[in-house]
Amino acid sequence: DIQMTQSPSSLSASVGDRVTITCQASQDISNYLNWYQQKPGKAPKLLIYDASNLDTGVPLRFSGSGSGTDFTFTISSLQPEDIGTYFCQQYEDLLSFGGGTNVEIK
Amino acid sequence: EVQLVESGGGLVKPGGSLRLSCAASGFTFSSSSMNWVRQAPGKGLEWVSFISPSSTFIDYADSLRGRFTISRDDAKNSLFLQMNSLEDEDTAVYYCVRDWGAARPQGVDHWGQGTLVTVSS
Repeated sequence: DIQMTQSPSSLSASVGDRVTITCQASQDISNYLNWYQQKPGKAPKLLIYDASNLDTGVPLRFSGSGSGTDFTFTISSLQPEDIGTYFCQQYEDLLSFGGGTNVEIK
Repeated sequence: EVQLVESGGGLVKPGGSLRLSCAASGFTFSSSSMNWVRQAPGKGLEWVSFISPSSTFIDYADSLRGRFTISRDDAKNSLFLQMNSLEDEDTAVYYCVRDWGAARPQGVDHWGQGTLVTVSS
């Protein structure tokens, strides 16, 4: 099984701040990584697929990078509507998710 | 518009069984791969099972293999999850999700709203 380690588990930032979340895979997963956003009480939503591709309609302030075992998700300018939990997910071997990062506004 | 509507959740005693259903609409269900993903209260996401078109490829999380069975009825645009020998740790919201992979799970582009399964005596 591939383990996904996501950090930090939570963060608090001000509106307009740059926010960075990292995700590390327990083995090489190439670029087989997706990122999701889950707002409180809602189902998750796909933001980025294949490590760096923005899904349709996703604001350009979201971005992703990385390959192999180390990946980064960035919000270039945090907005109030971005609060929620963000998950990475690998698909090199079936599916597994990171533990999530809870993003709050300071 | 893609819609996935789960049903069948509820309270069940440890050792009991439950069958979840998912009604799909707004896309060609028979051509789509599907998964079940669950989320325990206040916890992260856990992949449960995958089924490809025509049920050609099916897979399960190792920890659930043998207790859970995924199936589909393309004539009724429906996905199912039969859960047996339920344990307290199976308590979670279960999401029916569409996968863009063909022969193996790759990623989820649409999620249902979930159905809550509570396993408790």
